[in-house]
Amino acid sequence: NAGVTQTPKFRVLKTGQSMTLLCAQDMNHEYMYWYRQDPGMGLRLIHYSVGEGTTAKGEVPDGYNVSRLKKQNFLLGLESAAPSQTSVYFCASTKYAASSYNEQFFGPGTRLTVL
Amino acid sequence: KQEVTQIPAALSVPEGENLVLNCSFTDSAIYNLQWFRQDPGKGLTSLLLIQSSQREQTSGRLNASLDKSSGRSTLYIAASQPGDSATYLCAVNRDDKIIFGKGTRLHILP
Repeated sequence: NAGVTQTPKFRVLKTGQSMTLLCAQDMNHEYMYWYRQDPGMGLRLIHYSVGEGTTAKGEVPDGYNVSRLKKQNFLLGLESAAPSQTSVYFCASTKYAASSYNEQFFGPGTRLTVL
Repeated sequence: KQEVTQIPAALSVPEGENLVLNCSFTDSAIYNLQWFRQDPGKGLTSLLLIQSSQREQTSGRLNASLDKSSGRSTLYIAASQPGDSATYLCAVNRDDKIIFGKGTRLHILP
């Protein structure tokens, strides 16, 4: 199993450009999450999905959109990138939620710089 | 609102010493607590998961404890090694969300 993978690993954008980050998991997990990690701010939840075809807002959703058309994929989109979106983005997945057995698995991250 | 705090933010310890990392949370109604390790420029690696009904979990030189009533968890690392140098994060699971602390940056001095 590859676990959780993210594409791309690095990206540099100019202000106003758009891009999509792809997260894929091969563990048949129901729940998927997108986080951003910034120095001094810790990990903050952007959006999450409780199953195929569903999405929900997290703590910092503004400026991002997501889609979960297939159970194994969770896409994060930036329609008009801003310098404030320079960050490291992590995707994660869990098999269950609201469960004692819920263990979260993370991807390797995407380092995004917006100039 | 659930808040997770990790103190200290950074810690330096001579090699070979035993050490304890702390994690506290404000809402005791959690399903589990997970400890992660993050190396610089890397993703998060799960170390230990403690279910809400458990008091502790062990893996090798690591032992994590959970006291839900007081809102505290500790990660004990025995006989520390330079390879243990990393940032350690705790996270609590409640409902659909998992809330992270900001981590403790650990440096083991050779």
